[in-house]
Order: sequence, then C-alpha cells, then structure tokens
Amino acid sequence: DAKTTQPNSMESNEEEPVHLPCNHSTISGTDYIHWYRQLPSQGPEYVIHGLTSNVNNRMASLAIAEDRKSSTLILHRATLRDAAVYYCILGSGGYQKVTFGIGTKLQVIP
Amino acid sequence: EPEVTQTPSHQVTQMGQEVILRCVPISNHLYFYWYRQILGQKVEFLVSFYNNEISEKSEIFDDQFSVERPDGSNFTLKIRSTKLEDSAMYFCASTDTTNEKLFFGSGTQLSVL
Repeated sequence: DAKTTQPNSMESNEEEPVHLPCNHSTISGTDYIHWYRQLPSQGPEYVIHGLTSNVNNRMASLAIAEDRKSSTLILHRATLRDAAVYYCILGSGGYQKVTFGIGTKLQVIP
Repeated sequence: EPEVTQTPSHQVTQMGQEVILRCVPISNHLYFYWYRQILGQKVEFLVSFYNNEISEKSEIFDDQFSVERPDGSNFTLKIRSTKLEDSAMYFCASTDTTNEKLFFGSGTQLSVL
C-alpha cells in the first residue's frame, strides 16, 4: 500500500476553518484519496474521498494538489464535535479494504 | 442513514474461553470486514468476506479466529480460545460495489481477563 504522512496532532479554535494536510508522494495513478475520522469511543466514519479534482460534501472539502502528491482536508468551521482522529488513506475504493495509519488527532478549543 | 450494528457493546470473558462477536451489516451490502483496535493503537484490518468466503486476511487473523455469515443478516467473528492480547475494540464494517466507502459499526469492546 502507498503510504501517507500526516501530522500527529493539530489544534483549532472553535468556529475557525481547519486545514488537515496529508502527503502521499508515492501515490499511484489509480489511487483514490480517502479521509475517515474516528470520534472518541466510536468506529471510524467516512468523511470524503477524491481522485484528481477537489471535492465538497456536507462534512468537508478535499483539496488535491495538481501532482496528487499531497492533499488537504478542510473543515470550514470547526465545532467541538469535530474533535477526532482524522485518517488520510490511499486506496482503490469500492469494496477494497481500508488500511489505517496513525492519523492526525484534532483538538478543537472552545 | 442505514447503519451497521454490533452486539454486544461490551464483552468480558476469561482467558481460554470462546467468544462470538455479532454484527448486522447494512442490508444490501455484500462485502464485510472485521477490524480491531487495541487501546491507544491504530485500527488494524483482520479479515474481509465476500460471497460466503474470506477474500483477504491479515497476519493477526490466525487459526483462533473465524468468520461466518450464518444467515442473510448476521456476520460473526469467533475467537476460539481467547488470550489476554485479544483485548481490544472490534469493529465490523460493510460496503457494496456501488459505494466507495466503508460503513463501520460502533464496535464491541472485548476484555479478556
């Protein structure tokens, strides 16, 4: 599996935007970039995914670099409920398994 | 939104005992997974299951582990003789080929004493 690199932790003030970076310099042409998050004491939860173009959904936005070697998950307005570990994962999507790394622990400060 | 349900939420067992963790995946899903997370560590893949057989398994999934889909709705993980190091949160997940994401349950916390 191609690897991703994320900061171990980040902090954000409540109601401020949050940019969570991910480096994936060995990404292959067919790899999708997936983001999942895990709230305390819960199972992982899908956030967003993309291939080449930037993506938006109700939870977040995904900005993908032109060379696809990095991406950024954007939470437009962090709330206390967004405090979680965020995982950036490469894969072909669909029914393929997801392989989790350490992720970025996001702390939201009131 | 439909969800994956897991029972029980907590399971305490004695070392050497058999445990069965149960999951009800989303009804039209065809691919099923078990993951585990030891306290403070990352989420680890155990096994994937499709068309009534294991499609992939990790090194963790040794002969002590087995999975089954006994009927059209349940998906179970059995640990034949539990060890202390099996203590972890176990997550079930499911998807189908039209989805590009896995849906995870809330997990079963297994404590082996």
